Amino acid sequence: GAVVSQHPSWVICKSGTSVKIECRSLDFQATTMFWYRQFPKQSLMLMATSNEGSKATYEQGVEKDKFLINHASLTLSTLTVTSAHPEDSSFYICSAPSGRNTGELFFGEGSRLTVL
Amino acid sequence: GNSVTQMEGPVTLSEEAFLTINCTYTATGYPSLFWYVQYPGEGLQLLLKATKADDKGSNKGFEATYRKETTSFHLEKGSVQVSDSAVYFCALRRSARQLTFGSGTQLTVLP
Repeated sequence: GAVVSQHPSWVICKSGTSVKIECRSLDFQATTMFWYRQFPKQSLMLMATSNEGSKATYEQGVEKDKFLINHASLTLSTLTVTSAHPEDSSFYICSAPSGRNTGELFFGEGSRLTVL
Repeated sequence: GNSVTQMEGPVTLSEEAFLTINCTYTATGYPSLFWYVQYPGEGLQLLLKATKADDKGSNKGFEATYRKETTSFHLEKGSVQVSDSAVYFCALRRSARQLTFGSGTQLTVLP
């Protein structure tokens, strides 16, 4: 079964509104989680690294004020897309390390955001 | 910098056909290499991995060999099934926990 769960799996919102996506690790703790964005027929692009108890680390070119990340607990990280616009429409995926130092990541099911 | 280049899809095969999905990489040092699979409606799952040159990763009939001389990690399966239909991602580990992904290859297997 899934070990990382995302919610919602899809969301449609109006331009200018904010949308929150949750990422939960199930049955294990994750001090670090990663947020990716996937465009159609393109690779997963790392947006930011979410750190429990400290600020997220954003990749170059990612607007931290647009994509707010909060790692509220050892099992929950949230991504809030603020003042969403149609160009923010994408597939957002979170992941968490397995904790076994194997380099394996567990991935959520992804969240499809459509901004009208 | 680190990058992964994957064979563009979509790939459509008949059941029991031979599959190859090409993957080459650019990286400093000797990264670990991975293949992830994403079935419809699900998250990415680790399919196989190799951590050093000449290692062969294998799982569910899929294989990939870490070729340092050609900087490649091609995915192969001798006889695909309809249930193998998915998107396959090649990836390299660029730090202790972060991965760099290829663009993904959509595979459709027809009965």
